[in-house]
Amino acid sequence: AQSVTQLGSHVSVSEGALVLLRCNYSSSVPPYLFWYVQYPNQGLQLLLKYTSAATLVKGINGFEAEFKKSETSFHLTKPSAHMSDAAEYFCAVSDPRTGGFKTIFGAGTRLFVKA
Amino acid sequence: NAGVTQTPKFQVLKTGQSMTLQCAQDMNHEYMSWYRQDPGMGLRLIHYSVGAGITDQGEVPNGYNVSRSTTEDFPLRLLSAAPSQTSVYFCASTPGGVLYGYTFGSGTRLTVV
Repeated sequence: AQSVTQLGSHVSVSEGALVLLRCNYSSSVPPYLFWYVQYPNQGLQLLLKYTSAATLVKGINGFEAEFKKSETSFHLTKPSAHMSDAAEYFCAVSDPRTGGFKTIFGAGTRLFVKA
Repeated sequence: NAGVTQTPKFQVLKTGQSMTLQCAQDMNHEYMSWYRQDPGMGLRLIHYSVGAGITDQGEVPNGYNVSRSTTEDFPLRLLSAAPSQTSVYFCASTPGGVLYGYTFGSGTRLTVV
């Protein structure tokens, strides 16, 4: 079975500071991994995805994530936080063998950005 | 291009009532899914469909039914609402498996009293 653990339900950073949101996964096979963002009262939007190509994945809005198999991690980073980054972020894992239909989401990390 | 449209946006039900949450997409996506979102639990898969006439259960299917008569529509039915079904429900679609990532609707906030 696959699972995702997001470390920290809330993260607070100052505007201009580094953003680091942590995600660890469990999977018996090389997984597909995703980060989604959810703004208040909206659905989730895909930020970036890892599908077994380059281990460093760049997404929208300046975010990137690195797949580290040895650490079973897929942490999300952004060099400089902006007020508009305040949202909830979800890491997700999927098994390529099943077509990925049973995507498993983490519990989410809410990012606060202080002026 | 509307993407994934969910109706209604808000609903209050009494215990035991039934209702249907509507989901429609205009992107000709083959694959559609229903998730529920609860605080501290992320999103949990209720049911999914890989094409018209084909549906399957996800993690938390009890108390919900689905059907997929057309590519565009994937309604979720609550047969007899219970307070435990109070949640935010999201419909999502993808063109050819999750390799492409999901497109989500804006959600339906359901309260069962």
